[in-house]
Amino acid sequence: AQKITQTQPGMFVQEKEAVTLDCTYDTSDPSYGLFWYKQPSSGEMIFLIYQGSYDQQNATEGRYSLNFQKARKSANLVISASQLGDSAMYFCAMGTGNQFYFGTGTSLTVIP
Amino acid sequence: EAQVTQNPRYLITVTGKKLTVTCSQNMNHEYMSWYRQDPGLGLRQIYYSMNVEVTDKGDVPEGYKVSRKEKRNFPLILESPSPNQTSLYFCASKLAGGVNEQFFGPGTRLTVL
Repeated sequence: AQKITQTQPGMFVQEKEAVTLDCTYDTSDPSYGLFWYKQPSSGEMIFLIYQGSYDQQNATEGRYSLNFQKARKSANLVISASQLGDSAMYFCAMGTGNQFYFGTGTSLTVIP
Repeated sequence: EAQVTQNPRYLITVTGKKLTVTCSQNMNHEYMSWYRQDPGLGLRQIYYSMNVEVTDKGDVPEGYKVSRKEKRNFPLILESPSPNQTSLYFCASKLAGGVNEQFFGPGTRLTVL
């Protein structure tokens, strides 16, 4: 079965601090991609970062980095130097074959 | 501007009244997909299409139909909506070939009374 698990329903972080959002996945396919999306209160889905299963290095995009541990089947999102605008829902997703699977999300609140 | 558009953005309807939610993309993407988002469940894939006239079921296809007659359009059809289809619906598209980023539409909030 294909599955994405996000175990943190809600997280708080102080402004300017770093925060890690957890994501584990389960697949038997050797080829897959891992994604993180941000959903602010306005509702749109914003792509943040992508990691391919064959990528040797962890993906980074500005303040976002993906801590990819293949043996542990984890793909945690690290946000450095949190900003108030980072307060949102964050979804981890996995694409494999032609289908995509999303986790249940983590609500992040950045405290001034 | 490259985008995925959905219409309507908000819809309130009654049980059993057929409805269509349209989705259109201007990026010449082969792959298009529909998702529903429910509290505590994240997004779940309803149907996807690899190209014109090629569609397949996702995880939660029951109660929905789709068609792909043109590359840019991928409408979602609810022939007899029920209250358990009240949800936030997203259309998305991407290039075919490999696992790559999907571009999402703004969402359609559907309420079935």
